[in-house]
Amino acid sequence: AQTVTQSQPEMSVQEAETVTLSCTYDTSESNYYLFWYKQPPSRQMILVIRQEAYKQQNATENRFSVNFQKAAKSFSLKISDSQLGDTAMYFCAFMRGIQGAQKLVFGQGTRLTINP
Amino acid sequence: SQTIHQWPATLVQPVGSPLSLECTVEGTSNPNLYWYRQAAGRGLQLLFYSVGIGQISSEVPQNLSASRPQDRQFILSSKKLLLSDSGFYLCAWSVNEWSREGEKLFFGSGTQLSVL
Repeated sequence: AQTVTQSQPEMSVQEAETVTLSCTYDTSESNYYLFWYKQPPSRQMILVIRQEAYKQQNATENRFSVNFQKAAKSFSLKISDSQLGDTAMYFCAFMRGIQGAQKLVFGQGTRLTINP
Repeated sequence: SQTIHQWPATLVQPVGSPLSLECTVEGTSNPNLYWYRQAAGRGLQLLFYSVGIGQISSEVPQNLSASRPQDRQFILSSKKLLLSDSGFYLCAWSVNEWSREGEKLFFGSGTQLSVL
């Protein structure tokens, strides 16, 4: 079974700083997807970024980027120029790359606070 | 565009009472549908998924059941609620074609269920 581990329960940085959230996962699959979801106080789950395991290039979405280390099974999220609106719970998630029902396995989350 | 509706937003129910949470998706056909639960301060756990009308798969044994009476309607039910059923319930959908970014899940706004 796949597992996802987020070792940082809480993090706090000043506005405009860069912050990196850690995630490790365990799987024997070779084809899979990794995701970062954001859950603001509204509790809406918002997809931030995704990475396809067969792609070596790290995914980027504006101020958000990942450092995907497949051999180390590590998938960290970097937020540049952090903004107050980035305050949220961040969840790392794993999905097997098999067509059918797309089941996400989530980590426990990291609560990120951006301070003014 | 596609939208997902989930209601009610909050629900307080006594132990032993029945439960019915409803989720509908608009703007797409034959989606994959999912029910997730989030315990306080934890990540999301997949409860049920459905790849078609009347097709339900359960991921964990529990006091809950799910049904899909129509293509874009997904219902979470219980005959008698337990205290341990309290949590935040999220419905989600995805395209069931892998080639059309079927790995992306889109979440509803959630229902906070408190069983007292």
